[in-house]
Amino acid sequence: EDQVTQSPEALRLQEGESSSLNCSYTVSGLRGLFWYRQDPGKGPEFLFTLYSAGEEKEKERLKATLTKKESFLHITAPKPEDSATYLCAVEDSGAGSYQLTFGKGTKLSVIP
Amino acid sequence: DTAVSQTPKYLVTQMGNDKSIKCEQNLGHDTMYWYKQDSKKFLKIMFSYNNKELIINETVPNRFSPKSPDKAHLNLHINSLELGDSAVYFCASSQVDGTDTQYFGPGTRLTVL
Repeated sequence: EDQVTQSPEALRLQEGESSSLNCSYTVSGLRGLFWYRQDPGKGPEFLFTLYSAGEEKEKERLKATLTKKESFLHITAPKPEDSATYLCAVEDSGAGSYQLTFGKGTKLSVIP
Repeated sequence: DTAVSQTPKYLVTQMGNDKSIKCEQNLGHDTMYWYKQDSKKFLKIMFSYNNKELIINETVPNRFSPKSPDKAHLNLHINSLELGDSAVYFCASSQVDGTDTQYFGPGTRLTVL
């Protein structure tokens, strides 16, 4: 069974204080690892897809990296508007259904 | 222009009732999904569907049934609602062409009294 574990559950940062969120996963074969951002009362918003170990993607203050066992979402010099819950999900190439297995998320709060 | 839309946004109903949630996507995707997000914010797949097959998560009660009138719509019907069905339900869609990125709707908050 696919498993996704995110840590920490909650993270409180001062504005400008860089940090990283962790997503560790167990799948029979990784088809893709996805990062989403979710604001309160809204649906998950797509950020990145990573397909193979060593891959990195960047968008503004966010950078996602992938190894064979985990992914990191690095946040550089965060701003209050980066406050949200960040969700990690995996798609198992062996599942054949294109369904995502999500972690429980990391709730990020950036304090001005 | 909304990519994935759901109606209604909020749904409050009594136990035992039957209700439906509608989902539409204008992205031209070939696969649609329903997810349930519980009170602890854990997002879990319920169904995935394209024009070839319906895949049901084994933990989903058979009171829940997806119905797709066409490629752009996947509605969720729920019979005999129970208190434990209270949650936020999200529709998503993707084009299964190697990228598989799923785009989510805004969610429907279902409250069963």
